[in-house]
Amino acid sequence: AQKITQTQPGMFVQEKEAVTLDCTYDTSDQSYGLFWYKQPSSGEMIFLIYQGSYDEQNATEGRYSLNFQKARKSANLVISASQLGDSAMYFCAMREGTGGFKTIFGAGTRLFVKA
Amino acid sequence: DSGVTQTPKHLITATGQRVTLRCSPRSGDLSVYWYQQSLDQGLQFLIQYYNGEERAKGNILERFSAQQFPDLHSELNLSSLELGDSALYFCASSVTDYPYEQYFGPGTRLTVT
Repeated sequence: AQKITQTQPGMFVQEKEAVTLDCTYDTSDQSYGLFWYKQPSSGEMIFLIYQGSYDEQNATEGRYSLNFQKARKSANLVISASQLGDSAMYFCAMREGTGGFKTIFGAGTRLFVKA
Repeated sequence: DSGVTQTPKHLITATGQRVTLRCSPRSGDLSVYWYQQSLDQGLQFLIQYYNGEERAKGNILERFSAQQFPDLHSELNLSSLELGDSALYFCASSVTDYPYEQYFGPGTRLTVT
C-alpha cells in the first residue's frame, strides 16, 4: 500500500544553516510524483517543490532542493541558508499513477529556526 | 496571494446540518483539488476535478460531494455533519490534471458543534 513516512516530528536549525527534512515512501508503482509543501502558523499551504519518479536530476527551487534516492525510496527536502521565516510545518506527499491526483501525505515535520 | 479564493473563511454549524464550501481557482487553471486537514487524520486528499469532470478520488466520505461548474469554480458539499468533520478544508488548483505544482487557497475552517 502507498505510504509516506516523516520520522521527525520536530526539528531545530540555526539561522543561516542548512537542514534536511526526511521523507521515505512506499509504492509499487513505477510512475509517481513526490511533493513538498510548507504550512506556516498562519495556516496556508504553500507548494515548494516537485520530483517525478523518472526525473534523473534532483529538483531544485531556490533554497529548496529535493534529495531523491529512488533505490532507498527517500525524498528528503534540503533547505539551505535557513531563515526565520522558514519556521513552519513541512509535509511530504506522493502521487501514484499516471492519471489524476490521488495523493497521500506524511504526518509532517515542524521546523523551528533559531536566531 | 495564490490567486485561489475560498469562501467562507470560517463556518460554524450544528451536527446533522449541510454546508457548501466554495472555491474559485486561479485564472487559467482547469484542475481543482479538495483537501481536508484535521488534527486526528492529518492532511487528506478528497477529490480532484479537471475541466468539469471528476479526475481522482481520495478518502471522501459518501456524505460529501463535489462538483466543478462550467466557469471552473468548484463546490464541496458536506451533509449530515458530524463532530469529526470539523477541520480545515483547502482547495487548490493547477493548470493541468497531472500537476508539477499546485496553488492553495486560504482554506475554510469548519466547526461542527
